[in-house]
Amino acid sequence: QKEVEQDPGPLSVPEGAIVSLNCTYSNSAFQYFMWYRQYSRKGPELLMYTYSSGNKEDGRFTAQVDKSSKYISLFIRDSQPSDSATYLCAMTHSWGKLQFGAGTQVVVTP
Amino acid sequence: DSGVTQTPKHLITATGQRVTLRCSPRSGDLSVYWYQQSLDQGLQFLIQYYNGEERAKGNILERFSAQQFPDLHSELNLSSLELGDSALYFCASGQTNEQFFGPGTRLTVL
Repeated sequence: QKEVEQDPGPLSVPEGAIVSLNCTYSNSAFQYFMWYRQYSRKGPELLMYTYSSGNKEDGRFTAQVDKSSKYISLFIRDSQPSDSATYLCAMTHSWGKLQFGAGTQVVVTP
Repeated sequence: DSGVTQTPKHLITATGQRVTLRCSPRSGDLSVYWYQQSLDQGLQFLIQYYNGEERAKGNILERFSAQQFPDLHSELNLSSLELGDSALYFCASGQTNEQFFGPGTRLTVL
């Protein structure tokens, strides 16, 4: 079993809809939780990171962490075609070693 | 632009050969992280260097090695290449929970 599970999608939504992404994990030692966005053949770009359970908002993006359920989510409001990309969750419990999910491909259709 | 540079962008070589990938971190960042991204394995952490010293190690093969030089640039050396080593190789710099990725080197082993 992988330490981090993420549905690979693809997830197709109409423009303006809310995109809901999630990851589950098995290692309770994970402390930092991150979401990256990766456009095709480009390097991943950090969107948000959180440390504790709860919500964190940044513009159209909201990250949620539920450590008791070992579950993290990313919501994208008012989705745009430019949000079409692969979204990767990542987490870590020790110095430097990020554990990534498989990534979810999101397609926002005009 | 993340501020992390990688060269070359593309590399095509034959099985059994050796290649060197180069990475320059963002100005002021002491840490460099190396990742491998393939279709079947996803984004996998290989190794981290901090100010010239190896800090963390992931699933890096013995055929692979890395180093970080006094000017903080890093090189990833891949030897005795196999077909399965074909992948995108990324380096990143920054803090553990806030890593900035370079554009990657696409390695094709024929």
